[in-house]
Amino acid sequence: DAEITQSPRHKITETGRQVTLACHQTWNHNNMFWYRQDLGHGLRLIHYSYGVQDTNKGEVSDGYSVSRSNTEDLPLTLESAASSQTSVYFCASSSTGNRQFFGPGTRLTVL
Amino acid sequence: RKEVEQDPGPFNVPEGATVAFNCTYSNSASQSFFWYRQDCRKEPKLLMSVYSSGNEDGRFTAQLNRASQYISLLIRDSKLSDSATYLCVVDSSGNTPLVFGKGTRLSVIA
Repeated sequence: DAEITQSPRHKITETGRQVTLACHQTWNHNNMFWYRQDLGHGLRLIHYSYGVQDTNKGEVSDGYSVSRSNTEDLPLTLESAASSQTSVYFCASSSTGNRQFFGPGTRLTVL
Repeated sequence: RKEVEQDPGPFNVPEGATVAFNCTYSNSASQSFFWYRQDCRKEPKLLMSVYSSGNEDGRFTAQLNRASQYISLLIRDSKLSDSATYLCVVDSSGNTPLVFGKGTRLSVIA
């Protein structure tokens, strides 16, 4: 069955380290998104992509980057992890019609 | 005005009750509307799309009021398993990503 996966599911890292969170979908969706979710803030969009080689900044993109080299993957990189980036990160994908399907999430703790 | 606003709740209702949530949106050009459900520590999952004519899926009914710019979700005969956070989702306009509300928390009590 087609699906969207994220790895790792849990990650503990130290301030200043580079961290990459993986997102992989097998639906062949053109659109992929990264969100973070924190108490009191709901889902906030970090970066998104509408196709290979396309990337766009969301509302909370500072300190994060993405690249889209194929349809299936949109890895999220934290260039230099900060404690403020401790959060739950969700990846999502969609085709046309806007309905987004989410991965299971990655819990990231930055110490 | 925030793009999508929801009452955070919590709504605490007994099993079997009917409960309704509203959600207001600010962009009158919005075209697509959805309700998502999110269980504690899990990913959001699409519950239903919201169509102009209103739509029903079992115990769940969604309605859109374009004139007043709100959507609603009605849950009849609430079950314990309906306890979750319900997210209102709207497309802002054009080729831009969806906008998510912060969610309304529902607790169904035995």
